[in-house]
Amino acid sequence: IQLTQSPSFLSASVGDRVTITCRASQGISTYLAWYQQQPGKAPRLLIYAASSLQNGVSSRFSGSGSATEFTLTISSLQPEDSATYYCQQLKSFPLTFGGGTKVEIK
Amino acid sequence: QITLKESGPTLVKPTQTLTLTCSFSGFSLSTTGAAVGWIRQPPGEALEWLALIYWDDDKRYSPSLKTRLTITKDTSKNQVVLTLTNMDPVDTATYFCAHGGVSGLDNWGQGTLVTVSS
Repeated sequence: IQLTQSPSFLSASVGDRVTITCRASQGISTYLAWYQQQPGKAPRLLIYAASSLQNGVSSRFSGSGSATEFTLTISSLQPEDSATYYCQQLKSFPLTFGGGTKVEIK
Repeated sequence: QITLKESGPTLVKPTQTLTLTCSFSGFSLSTTGAAVGWIRQPPGEALEWLALIYWDDDKRYSPSLKTRLTITKDTSKNQVVLTLTNMDPVDTATYFCAHGGVSGLDNWGQGTLVTVSS
């Protein structure tokens, strides 16, 4: 199963609402997770089962979607949100990742 | 609190075999549902899923690397070992281990950079 993220890069201002899309090459129900990776660090799980917020993650992050189209939304962008975001499908092996979306703060 | 840490060589020569160890605490790989996976990331590139081992010793591999990869566990030592044979410069990457399952990889090690060069 291939995952295509868009855009690959975005630049936005503090306080902006940001949306990242992940499209699956075939239906995966809601077996999708989102990760944040800050430079030089390991990825961190933000969202699982497409829309469930991982413990300890800010409520400004939210996920939605099912089947082949998913979105990650940051409701009000903060400086610490500067990072690369990845989606991952957990429907079937291999557990593929998307190509990533780099978010820059203007 | 779940923690994981990768260890192994930082430099390997082409054709050599890479052996990485993931040492973890805060969970047991003998507990039903537990799993540990390996993921790598070449410099400046995206994440690539490699392998996963379950509490019941079920093992899954990336098809593109299946002939070169082996994942094993030592439940008594709380360790998971990944071996990758016939290393090539394109295998240069940061290798991560992580805890998780069908809900995603919820705890990650810090990663270890492995460079393949003669």
